Amino acid sequence: LAKTTQPISMDSYEGQEVNITCSHNNIATNDYITWYQQFPSQGPRFIIQGYKTKVTNEVASLFIPADRKSSTLSLPRVSLSDTAVYYCLVGDHNTDKLIFGTGTRLQVFP
Amino acid sequence: NAGVTQTPKFRVLKTGQSMTLLCAQDMNHEYMYWYRQDPGMGLRLIHYSVGEGTTAKGEVPDGYNVSRLKKQNFLLGLESAAPSQTSVYFCASSYKTGKDGYTFGSGTRLTVV
Repeated sequence: LAKTTQPISMDSYEGQEVNITCSHNNIATNDYITWYQQFPSQGPRFIIQGYKTKVTNEVASLFIPADRKSSTLSLPRVSLSDTAVYYCLVGDHNTDKLIFGTGTRLQVFP
Repeated sequence: NAGVTQTPKFRVLKTGQSMTLLCAQDMNHEYMYWYRQDPGMGLRLIHYSVGEGTTAKGEVPDGYNVSRLKKQNFLLGLESAAPSQTSVYFCASSYKTGKDGYTFGSGTRLTVV
């Protein structure tokens, strides 16, 4: 099972861009990279998923270098409501069970 | 558009009691999972299922049993609850392909006294 490493916490101010990097040195060929957001007392919520290069949706971008040993979740112009824990997951959905790490706690200040 | 529904939302058990947590999904997902989350920690996988009638162990399966008799339901059972099982339990489901990742329920907060 691929293991991920993320910073424990990050601080930002409203309106700034936040980049959270995840290291996954043992990523396998079939593994996808998926990011989740979790608010207190709620289940994690899917943010974005990618395999290589760059993926963008309405809430975030995901940058994946060619070697795929790391990935960066980019949140443009964060607001107070983006304060949450963010998890990076790596795994093959077809055959594997995904393992969550401890995540990155993002605190956004006014 | 219910997604993943967990019942109950809260429960207090005495040590040694048994209970079953129910997870229901209406998205026709093949895969279903049970996680537990303890304060300051990430989610740990208890058991999972890749289809109706199948179950498999995750990271922390001891003290729990599961059943998937119907595709839409995944039950988590505690036969003899222990204080160490005090936690928040989350159910999730996904397509076999992993498209769009997991959909999580809102959690069940269980306290064992």
